[in-house]
Amino acid sequence: GENVGLHLPTLSVQEGDNSIINCAYSNSASDYFIWYKQESGKGPQFIIDIRSNMDKRQGQRVTVLLNKTVKHLSLQIAATQPGDSAVYFCADNSGGSNYKLTFGKGTLLTVNP
Amino acid sequence: DTAVSQTPKYLVTQMGNDKSIKCEQNLGHDTMYWYKQDSKKFLKIMFSYNNKELIINETVPNRFSPKSPDKAHLNLHINSLELGDSAVYFCASSHRTVATNYGYTFGSGTRLTVV
Repeated sequence: GENVGLHLPTLSVQEGDNSIINCAYSNSASDYFIWYKQESGKGPQFIIDIRSNMDKRQGQRVTVLLNKTVKHLSLQIAATQPGDSAVYFCADNSGGSNYKLTFGKGTLLTVNP
Repeated sequence: DTAVSQTPKYLVTQMGNDKSIKCEQNLGHDTMYWYKQDSKKFLKIMFSYNNKELIINETVPNRFSPKSPDKAHLNLHINSLELGDSAVYFCASSHRTVATNYGYTFGSGTRLTVV
């Protein structure tokens, strides 16, 4: 597929396991954070967001954790499924911008059946 | 109905040519964006328009010119294409304040290959 040979950070898990994808951001003034999922050949899709006044937010099978002290964000996916295989990006609002999102490098998640 | 649609999906062209990519959104958003995704999957913002006004113009060669005829459309014209322009170009849209409206909605991308 198109993700072969990309040399992205990669996480490989067994179906049914939990996955944790990590992200570091650099701008301490950023106050809004999002995780996106990008499947092969498609555009990024919104998964979950969190504001800086929160440490944790839960969605359906996904949880985002925010540690502002160390400027770290993580995405936890419970009971990972083959359909979760994709590249995952974190993004932040670039130091408080109302318009601009700055994306992290991306992590390739591969779920083995 | 497709929320953010880009055309064409694939574009193969020779160096030196001029080409355009079109984007339309039917979400009622007032802000639209162009992002470039390189071969390493890195997404970088190029331009943003809010209600037809250019609000973000990153360090992009002058050969790239966005045009927004109305708030539902944002096109990207590229002059004198170079090999390094090969990438996937994503259009996106959002409400005025990204922070209050779930970030962007992305189109499915235009894969540009310059030969």
